Amino acid sequence: KQEVTQIPAALSVPEGENLVLNCSFTDSAIYNLQWFRQDPGKGLTSLLLIQSSQREQTSGRLNASLDKSSGRSTLYIAASQPGDSATYLCAVTGNTPLVFGKGTRLSVIA
Amino acid sequence: GAGVSQSPSNKVTEKGKDVELRCDPISGHTALYWYRQSLGQGLEFLIYFQGNSAPDKSGLPSDRFSAERTGGSVSTLTIQRTQQEDSAVYLCASSSGTGDYEQYFGPGTRLTVT
Repeated sequence: KQEVTQIPAALSVPEGENLVLNCSFTDSAIYNLQWFRQDPGKGLTSLLLIQSSQREQTSGRLNASLDKSSGRSTLYIAASQPGDSATYLCAVTGNTPLVFGKGTRLSVIA
Repeated sequence: GAGVSQSPSNKVTEKGKDVELRCDPISGHTALYWYRQSLGQGLEFLIYFQGNSAPDKSGLPSDRFSAERTGGSVSTLTIQRTQQEDSAVYLCASSSGTGDYEQYFGPGTRLTVT
């Protein structure tokens, strides 16, 4: 059974700092990995999707990497801003639909 | 529509009542998914549809939960005899296929059972 773990559970950083969020999964037989953002009381916004054959994806200040063999992904956020404050969720798709981690709650302090 | 829509956005119901939650997927998306997000539990998969068929119902927590999809479009998730532990945000997503296709999420329905 696929399990997804995200570390840390919560993170608080000063504005402008670069940061890394970590995601690990137990079954490397995945189709893809997605990073989502969730604001309080809101739905999910897809940030980046990495296919299993890819190593990384970039969008603006965000860069996500995937090491399928070791079951790890990282989300790198450059020059963090208070507007980046949200919960970041990692999810993998394999033989079953998306399996989510419990998220990292990020606070960027102005 | 431009995105996945869900209704109602909020629902408060008394324990023991039945509720229906609706999801309108992105036009043309053949796959539709239901997830539940409970406080402190994270997001869990409930059921998915490919067309009008549900190949995987493994996530439905009990026989009080059922879902259907008609015309390959709208889906309804029904919870009978609601319990307080059913209180959660129910999220719907759709994609243009299953497997490695990206899923797009709706805003969710917040269900509160009193």
